[in-house]
Amino acid sequence: SQKIEQNSEALNIQEGKTATLTCNYTNYSPAYLQWYRQDPGRGPVFLLLIRENEKEKRKERLKVTFDTTLKQSLFHITASQPADSATYLCALRKAAGNKLTFGGGTRVLVKP
Amino acid sequence: DTGVSQDPRHKITKRGQNVTFRCDPISEHNRLYWYRQTLGQGPEFLTYFQNEAQLEKSRLLSDRFSAERPKGSFSTLEIQRTEQGDSAMYLCASSLPPRLAGTKNEQFFGPGTRLTVL
Repeated sequence: SQKIEQNSEALNIQEGKTATLTCNYTNYSPAYLQWYRQDPGRGPVFLLLIRENEKEKRKERLKVTFDTTLKQSLFHITASQPADSATYLCALRKAAGNKLTFGGGTRVLVKP
Repeated sequence: DTGVSQDPRHKITKRGQNVTFRCDPISEHNRLYWYRQTLGQGPEFLTYFQNEAQLEKSRLLSDRFSAERPKGSFSTLEIQRTEQGDSAMYLCASSLPPRLAGTKNEQFFGPGTRLTVL
């Protein structure tokens, strides 16, 4: 069955450092991989999308890599700030589909 | 506020009761999705509408669950004979039509309805 794994342990990081999150998947051939941010009690908010034929995507302090051979995506938050503290979800989507299949999320806590 | 709205934000009910949730998508979005999220997990897909047509349903959507989008605008999700296992956050999302969304197809999520079944 399809499986999307994110580190369930919270990531505690010092302000200014780079946070790196992983998303691994099995039994899935996504055309698109997306990262969302979710704050407590709120719905997810879209951050970045990367296509299967792209290796890397950047947006401001965020960077995403996508390795379809390893079946893995890495999500980096550079120069992290306390306001970056949230849960980050990766989501996969097939080329012909519309639904998103989410990982369990990784909680990030940036300490001042 | 032009985002996705959901009502109610919280619902507490007793086991066996029926509940109905409403979702109002962003006005120009013709696609609407329902997801369910339990504590510490990511959202799980339940169902998807394009305009008023329900195009996909997850196996998670048992016969006690029904979703409608009668006029292609707002949607309702009803759960009949609620069980304690139905306790979760129910999220609604919407997205643009394919000709406008392109491959990005970003889904905009509402704040969710938190259901507690006692």
